[in-house]
Amino acid sequence: AQSVAQPEDQVNVAEGNPLTVKCTYSVSGNPYLFWYVQYPNRGLQFLLKYITGDNLVKGSYGFEAEFNKSQTSFHLKKPSALVSDSALYFCAVRVTGTASKLTFGTGTRLQVTL
Amino acid sequence: DSGVTQTPKHLITATGQRVTLRCSPRSGDLSVYWYQQSLDQGLQFLIQYYNGEERAKGNILERFSAQQFPDLHSELNLSSLELGDSALYFCASTRLAGGGNEQFFGPGTRLTVL
Repeated sequence: AQSVAQPEDQVNVAEGNPLTVKCTYSVSGNPYLFWYVQYPNRGLQFLLKYITGDNLVKGSYGFEAEFNKSQTSFHLKKPSALVSDSALYFCAVRVTGTASKLTFGTGTRLQVTL
Repeated sequence: DSGVTQTPKHLITATGQRVTLRCSPRSGDLSVYWYQQSLDQGLQFLIQYYNGEERAKGNILERFSAQQFPDLHSELNLSSLELGDSALYFCASTRLAGGGNEQFFGPGTRLTVL
């Protein structure tokens, strides 16, 4: 079985400060890892993914994430937060070489204030 | 805009009724996924179709069914509706099935069962 944990329901950060949204995963095998963002009343938008190779992945809107196999983590980061980054963020995992079930975490609400 | 369309945007119906949600994938995408998003259950994978055939099944109730048509659009049928079925229903699409392909999500259908 595969699972994803997002330990924080909400993260609060001031605009201009760095932000981190945490994600840990559990799979039997090698993972594909994804981050999605959801704005109010919208569908999920793809931010970035880790497939293989470089552990630091860069994505849309200045976001990046670091794959850490030993800690089974895939934390989302941004050096300088914007108020417009305020949204719901989902981490997701799929095991390589299997059918396509993508398992999502429970989501973390990011609140960026002035 | 992801290129995935869903209709209707909103649906209000009564318990015991049956509804059909429709999804058109991005041009060229062969795989369609259905998800249910509710406050208490989070984002749950329901079912996946690939080029007209069922590919993977998640937490889909027996009262729910889906299909993908030759033109690749998909429909999710929900019957004998209960209050607990009230949720946002998303579809997503990818060009191929599985692997490291990111899913592109539609805007969702908000179902309210009264």
